[in-house]
Amino acid sequence: GQQVMQIPQYQHVQEGEDFTTYCNSSTTLSNIQWYKQRPGGHPVFLIQLVKSGEVKKQKRLTFQFGEAKKNSSLHITATQTTDVGTYFCAGSGAAGNKLTFGGGTRVLVKP
Amino acid sequence: NAGVTQTPKFRVLKTGQSMTLLCAQDMNHEYMYWYRQDPGMGLRLIHYSVGEGTTAKGEVPDGYNVSRLKKQNFLLGLESAAPSQTSVYFCASSHDRAQETQYFGPGTRLLVL
Repeated sequence: GQQVMQIPQYQHVQEGEDFTTYCNSSTTLSNIQWYKQRPGGHPVFLIQLVKSGEVKKQKRLTFQFGEAKKNSSLHITATQTTDVGTYFCAGSGAAGNKLTFGGGTRVLVKP
Repeated sequence: NAGVTQTPKFRVLKTGQSMTLLCAQDMNHEYMYWYRQDPGMGLRLIHYSVGEGTTAKGEVPDGYNVSRLKKQNFLLGLESAAPSQTSVYFCASSHDRAQETQYFGPGTRLLVL
């Protein structure tokens, strides 16, 4: 079945620095979504990418969907303490009935 | 608009006991999902439903049953709880397909002793 891998599993970042988390699927995806989960909270939708090579920005967050629609990345610039949490990517295939989530990247910010 | 709600918030069970987790959504969503979240494992799909009266197996369905008798409710049952089912359970819903945004409930923490 479809597998979605995320690296790194943990990311310690100095406040103000940039970092990138990567998401790779074993199969071609019809779309990819990103979610953020704050400590003790529930996943909250951030963004969806649908087109090959698509790039979307939300303030300091930049999301990219690979040309082959099998990988994606999230880049955060000038990390802030509010960025603490776990970021999940999730992809769906052509049928679109369900999402497969990656294992998540847990982000810790050092002030 | 409460969104997605889950009851209970926390439960402790003994091995072999049964329980039902309730998920309710007030957004008139067709699709509903049950996930479990374990440290380092991300979110794994247990069962899902594409509409009232329908259910389907996800990635890790063994030991769980579900029912969707009403569009707004999705129930997750554990007939005979095992320590391996200790986890945080999240319910989610989406408008009409998984490709749409999924809205998550606050979660249920389950400890099986």
